[in-house]
Amino acid sequence: GDSVTQMEGPVTLSEEAFLTINCTYTATGYPSLFWYVQYPGEGLQLLLKATKADDKGSNKGFEATYRKETTSFHLEKGSVQVSDSAVYFCALGSGAGSYQLTFGKGTKLSVIP
Amino acid sequence: NAGVTQTPKFRILKIGQSMTLQCTQDMNHNYMYWYRQDPGMGLKLIYYSVGAGITDKGEVPNGYNVSRSTTEDFPLRLELAAPSQTSVYFCASSPSGPGGQPQHFGDGTRLSIL
Repeated sequence: GDSVTQMEGPVTLSEEAFLTINCTYTATGYPSLFWYVQYPGEGLQLLLKATKADDKGSNKGFEATYRKETTSFHLEKGSVQVSDSAVYFCALGSGAGSYQLTFGKGTKLSVIP
Repeated sequence: NAGVTQTPKFRILKIGQSMTLQCTQDMNHNYMYWYRQDPGMGLKLIYYSVGAGITDKGEVPNGYNVSRSTTEDFPLRLELAAPSQTSVYFCASSPSGPGGQPQHFGDGTRLSIL
């Protein structure tokens, strides 16, 4: 079945540091890939997505590129801020006929001033 | 523009009690989902629905029931609460279309069973 593996947390960075959160997946066919963010006490919000190989999703300075050859969708940001502190989830959506998302376990990011 | 609304936000139940978690969405989405989130475990799908009158089990359905009488509402029922059901519950919805549409989440219901 489909699965998503993302790097274990927690991750602690200083403000303005470079961020990478690794995500790899296993799926049949051609899935869509997503990053969601969860701020304390809130639900998940879509951060970015990519629907086919080599697509780059971007939002709020975050980027991720859909790499079919390495089955990866790593999240990056060049300069993190304290307000980026949250839990980040990588997720996979299967192809036609399946509407469910498969989530990774989440990576908690803390950014310190 | 409310999106997905869940009630209540917090609840404490005694073992054996029952309750219904409410979820409503105003985006006219056909698909709706219930997840539970346990610490360090990500989200697990409990039940989902692809339209009014149609529901199906997800990964962890035992101990729960759902119904979908309207497009807007998708309540989750716990019949005999057990400590293992202590969790944060999230409702989500997504539009029709090819698989992998992004889902829109509510703010969650934090449930403790003592």
